[in-house]
Amino acid sequence: AQTVTQSQPEMSVQEAETVTLSCTYDTSESDYYLFWYKQPPSRQMILVIRQEAYKQQNATENRFSVNFQKAAKSFSLKISDSQLGDAAMYFCAYRRFDDMRFGAGTRLTVKP
Amino acid sequence: EAEVAQSPRYKITEKSQAVAFWCDPISGHATLYWYRQILGQGPELLVQFQDESVVDDSQLPKDRFSAERLKGVDSTLKIQPAELGDSAMYLCASSSVLLSSYNEQFFGPGTRLTVL
Repeated sequence: AQTVTQSQPEMSVQEAETVTLSCTYDTSESDYYLFWYKQPPSRQMILVIRQEAYKQQNATENRFSVNFQKAAKSFSLKISDSQLGDAAMYFCAYRRFDDMRFGAGTRLTVKP
Repeated sequence: EAEVAQSPRYKITEKSQAVAFWCDPISGHATLYWYRQILGQGPELLVQFQDESVVDDSQLPKDRFSAERLKGVDSTLKIQPAELGDSAMYLCASSSVLLSSYNEQFFGPGTRLTVL
């Protein structure tokens, strides 16, 4: 079974600084997708960034970027120039066809 | 901007009672998902619909949970009877393309269920 592990239950960052959230996953497949979702308090989950496993180039979305290490099965999220609005739960997710699995999440606090 | 709608947002019930949650996906989205998110954990897929058909319900506790999407649009998730361990956030999500791993899932605000 595919599992997704987020080893950091909580992280904290100073406003305007950079923070990296870790994620590892387990799969025997070579073709899949990886996602980072953000869940602000009392608000719906939204997609932050996605990565196709067949692409070597790391995905980037404005201040959000990933470090995808396929051989190591690692998929970390880097948030640059952190803003107060980045405070939320962040979930790493793996998907291959019908199988979508989420990690337990990392709670990010941004200090002013 | 189109959003996934869910109701109610909060539900408190006593164990052994029946509860039902409703989801209205983004218009035109053929695929609909129900997830359960226990506090401190990530969402766990319960059931996936493609139009009105169930694609995957392998994680749905069928002795007490049921889900339907009769006309392929909105969906209802029911629990009968509710148990203490059912307390969780129930999330609905939709996406536009048939069984595509790539496509983004759009999530609703969820229904927070508390079973007393």
